[in-house]
Amino acid sequence: RKEVEQDPGPFNVPEGATVAFNCTYSNSASQSFFWYRQDCRKEPKLLMSVYSSGNEDGRFTAQLNRASQYISLLIRDSKLSDSATYLCVVNIVDDMRFGAGTRLTVKP
Amino acid sequence: EAQVTQNPRYLITVTGKKLTVTCSQNMNHEYMSWYRQDPGLGLRQIYYSMNVEVTDKGDVPEGYKVSRKEKRNFPLILESPSPNQTSLYFCASSSSSGRDTDTQYFGPGTRLTVL
Repeated sequence: RKEVEQDPGPFNVPEGATVAFNCTYSNSASQSFFWYRQDCRKEPKLLMSVYSSGNEDGRFTAQLNRASQYISLLIRDSKLSDSATYLCVVNIVDDMRFGAGTRLTVKP
Repeated sequence: EAQVTQNPRYLITVTGKKLTVTCSQNMNHEYMSWYRQDPGLGLRQIYYSMNVEVTDKGDVPEGYKVSRKEKRNFPLILESPSPNQTSLYFCASSSSSGRDTDTQYFGPGTRLTVL
């Protein structure tokens, strides 16, 4: 079983849609959690950290459920520019583990 | 401008020909690491370094070497490349190991093909 698992997608949604991605992790000692965004053939960039209390940044909301060991990312009012691959990242004591990514395509 | 640079960006080579991919950061970061990214597998860590002269193996270190003689540089060395090392490589740095909210900054990537 992979340490960090994501639905690879692709998710194809129309502009304005709300879309949610989930990610599960296997190591209960995981300490911190992130969502990164990666555009095609580009480097990953931090989208947002994920806090236990949940956090929001504009149209993006991240949630963490430690008991069930999953993280979610909700994107509201999708824009064409949101099209990218979203990587779930889990930090386990100085060791960053990446999910394989979920690909999102937002269509006009 | 704060950045991580990698060179070369693209490289096609042949089996057994030693190569080095350079990585440099200008943010005075202590932590640096190398990843490879392959379809369906995501990013896998090759080696990481917590500080100068301190390096550790990641998940997939076989066939790779690194060194950290200076804080800003973290070269990746393939002594005898093989076709299964064909991949997209990313160097990353952060002020710590990525704990809390520390961001990992990634270089632009090096696409390596070993024939």
